[in-house]
Amino acid sequence: QSVLTQPPSVSGAPGQRVTISCTGSSSNIGAGYEVHWYQHLPGTAPKLLIHGNSNRPSGVPDRFSGSKSGTSASLAITGLQAEDEADYYCQSYDSSLSGWVFGGGTKLTVL
Amino acid sequence: EVQLVESGGGLVHPGGSLRLSCAASGFTFSSYSMNWVRQAPGKGLEWVSYISSDSSTIYYADSLKGRFTISRDNAKNSLYLQMNSLRAEDTAVYYCAKYGTNWFDPWGQGTLVTVSS
Repeated sequence: QSVLTQPPSVSGAPGQRVTISCTGSSSNIGAGYEVHWYQHLPGTAPKLLIHGNSNRPSGVPDRFSGSKSGTSASLAITGLQAEDEADYYCQSYDSSLSGWVFGGGTKLTVL
Repeated sequence: EVQLVESGGGLVHPGGSLRLSCAASGFTFSSYSMNWVRQAPGKGLEWVSYISSDSSTIYYADSLKGRFTISRDNAKNSLYLQMNSLRAEDTAVYYCAKYGTNWFDPWGQGTLVTVSS
């Protein structure tokens, strides 16, 4: 059971928009700790997509955007492409655990 | 280009030990905190341990219960994870990752640790 809760899977057709939610609690996201998002293709290194709730590192397409509100955060992907098919993870810090925590991951399928 | 390359994974019997290494290049290793993160088969990512740039601050996930030790050698641009009393549930791909103000970037390709008799 992950500290941050994500849907196991989402799907969308090419060109569509999908969102992935990440729900935490008062000891992590709700406490004001920032949320970060990663894209992970099996067998490769996880890649930072969004840091500080909504900031894209250089090289990440603006099709990817992040937001945070209360105890939850979301990753939105617009103009879905086949290459976006991957696992996506949210991450934050938890003061009760005194450590960094991840969501359980969401598998994105591009139909 | 920043590069992190893990090594040292393999098959180990329950109760055994293993030492993972992470070779860093492309940045001033001694100026950055580092982390280990793992992913068990079919599971999500799990943060394992953190070490500050000068090794003065170290944190571990509660689940490890003192079995793992993180260390670094700034002269060799290397990060280490000593794993003792290994259990089947420690089977995972272990990644090293550079720390960037509460996030991890970049990550290495990972090294697979399999604990099995």
